[in-house]
Amino acid sequence: EAGVTQFPSHSVIEKGQTVTLRCDPISGHDNLYWYRRVMGKEIKFLLHFVKESKQDESGMPNNRFLAERTGGTYSTLKVQPAELEDSGVYFCASSHLANYGYTFGSGTRLTVV
Amino acid sequence: AQKITQTQPGMFVQEKEAVTLDCTYDTSDPSYGLFWYKQPSSGEMIFLIYQGSYDQQNATEGRYSLNFQKARKSANLVISASQLGDSAMYFCAMREPAPGTARQLTFGSGTQLTVLP
Repeated sequence: EAGVTQFPSHSVIEKGQTVTLRCDPISGHDNLYWYRRVMGKEIKFLLHFVKESKQDESGMPNNRFLAERTGGTYSTLKVQPAELEDSGVYFCASSHLANYGYTFGSGTRLTVV
Repeated sequence: AQKITQTQPGMFVQEKEAVTLDCTYDTSDPSYGLFWYKQPSSGEMIFLIYQGSYDQQNATEGRYSLNFQKARKSANLVISASQLGDSAMYFCAMREPAPGTARQLTFGSGTQLTVLP
């Protein structure tokens, strides 16, 4: 089966611009998670979708971040406007409802200059 | 307070030797799961091994084993017979119960392992 796909793999944008990251989970995985690793620190949870619904968005840093999962398939994470401290690697992971295995994507490296 | 602590930012090991990567955790819940992931330079997060808090035996997966010491709240990863391809960042993570369905993971800061030829 295809894994979790994220794109772009890298993005360099200027402060104040908008960037949209995309994640395609494994087909059939209802649970989709966004995480990020900023400046070599711990990987931090951002939010969790179950199908198209936001189950937990307690990790979203502020209202400049907007995540969607239309139709319960792929998800997007938009940062608008981007700030320097948003630079880092954004990971997406998915899991099936019936078990607790998580599959991660390769991440999107975001650099805000 | 840190929930997952990895005290070794970097480790070196000689090829074919065994290496232990440390991980301690903090939770008051009796039901939890512990994971180890590997992140090579290519960036993807690769699942290595899982240990449930109620598992009686230490988890093993090929050359990976988890030294689970529940009373000490430690879940060290042991890699036997290191290979050059094992050079990567290794993350320990914990999943705690939460209402609803599959839960989020809490990660440690990672250990960069370098295998020397």
